[in-house]
Amino acid sequence: AQTVTQSQPEMSVQEAETVTLSCTYDTSESDYYLFWYKQPPSRQMILVIRQEAYKQQNATENRFSVNFQKAAKSFSLKISDSQLGDAAMYFCAYRSGVSNFGNEKLTFGTGTRLTIIP
Amino acid sequence: DSGVTQTPKHLITATGQRVTLRCSPRSGDLSVYWYQQSLDQGLQFLIHYYNGEERAKGNILERFSAQQFPDLHSELNLSSLELGDSALYFCASSVGDSGVYEQFFGPGTRLTVL
Repeated sequence: AQTVTQSQPEMSVQEAETVTLSCTYDTSESDYYLFWYKQPPSRQMILVIRQEAYKQQNATENRFSVNFQKAAKSFSLKISDSQLGDAAMYFCAYRSGVSNFGNEKLTFGTGTRLTIIP
Repeated sequence: DSGVTQTPKHLITATGQRVTLRCSPRSGDLSVYWYQQSLDQGLQFLIHYYNGEERAKGNILERFSAQQFPDLHSELNLSSLELGDSALYFCASSVGDSGVYEQFFGPGTRLTVL
């Protein structure tokens, strides 16, 4: 079974600075997808960024980028120019790329609570 | 707004009772997933339906059941409720049933069991 580990329960960063959230995962599969979801106080789950394992290039979405290290099974999220609206819980998630019954679910880490200091 | 709707937003009930949570997927989405978010268990996958058929079960208790109807909306039924069932229940939908498709989450139903 796949597991996702987020070792930082809480992080804080000064507004306008850069912060990196860590995530490691364990899998024996070669085809999979990795995600970062944001959960603000409203509790809505919002997809921040997605990475396909077969792609060597790291995904970027505006101020959000990832550092995907497939061999190390590491998938960190970098937030640049942090804004007050970035304050939220961030969840790393894994999804198998193998089309098979039961593989479509998302497996989540325990989350990192990010605080932005004005 | 993800396009996925969940009702009710909040539900308060007593132990031993039964409740039904409802989810309407985005227009055109055939897959519905249910997840439970609790303080002690984190975010956990419960069950997946695709076009009316059950595809996968996760850590879903026998007291819980779900179904997806012909109009593709889904209901999660929780019975013989216990205090530990208090959680945020999310529904997510996607177009297909493989990992390539993004899952869009609804706003969740917060269940409180007293």
